[in-house]
Amino acid sequence: DAGVIQSPRHEVTEMGQEVTLRCKPISGHDYLFWYRQTMMRGLELLIYFNNNVPIDDSGMPEDRFSAKMPNASFSTLKIQPSEPRDSAVYFCASRSGTGLREQYFGPGTRLTVT
Amino acid sequence: SQQGEEDPQALSIQEGENATMNCSYKTSINNLQWYRQNSGRGLVHLILIRSNEREKHSGRLRVTLDTSKKSSSLLITASRAADTASYFCATDGNSGYALNFGKGTSLLVTP
Repeated sequence: DAGVIQSPRHEVTEMGQEVTLRCKPISGHDYLFWYRQTMMRGLELLIYFNNNVPIDDSGMPEDRFSAKMPNASFSTLKIQPSEPRDSAVYFCASRSGTGLREQYFGPGTRLTVT
Repeated sequence: SQQGEEDPQALSIQEGENATMNCSYKTSINNLQWYRQNSGRGLVHLILIRSNEREKHSGRLRVTLDTSKKSSSLLITASRAADTASYFCATDGNSGYALNFGKGTSLLVTP
């Protein structure tokens, strides 16, 4: 398996622009998580899905953030409009619904909003 | 929300020495996990310890858990330069699925 795939790896955009981050979880995993990592706040859970259904989005900072999971092999995190304070590394992770509870992380998307 | 907090924030040792990192958390857990993050990469799972376990080993890693003190420690024995990374503890809380991460311990192992 290729692991969790994220795209793009780097994104530089101007304030006010729409940003879409993409994630392909490991095949067969029932859970998908979106995290944001910054020096100041560490690693924060934004939202997670179970069987494509959002379960907890309490970590989504504002209405400017939205996430979707149209099918079991694809998820997006969208920021519209983007702001400089959104600059961070965004990680997607997935895990199986059974067995060990470890999460498998993608390589992350480094977002810079100027 | 409950969150693990690692201590120390940074640790610098020489190859061959042991490295100990500590984690404290706030509320009850089902299990506690440790992850490693190399610079510019995603997190990699190292080890999971259940709330009814007190100690667990995996290769050069040893994890302890004290639920009465709400604390855990990660020991890396005979460290190598390749162990240089940030180490995070993560707790699962009531959901059993979402993880709460601490801010990590940055470990530097010098040759």
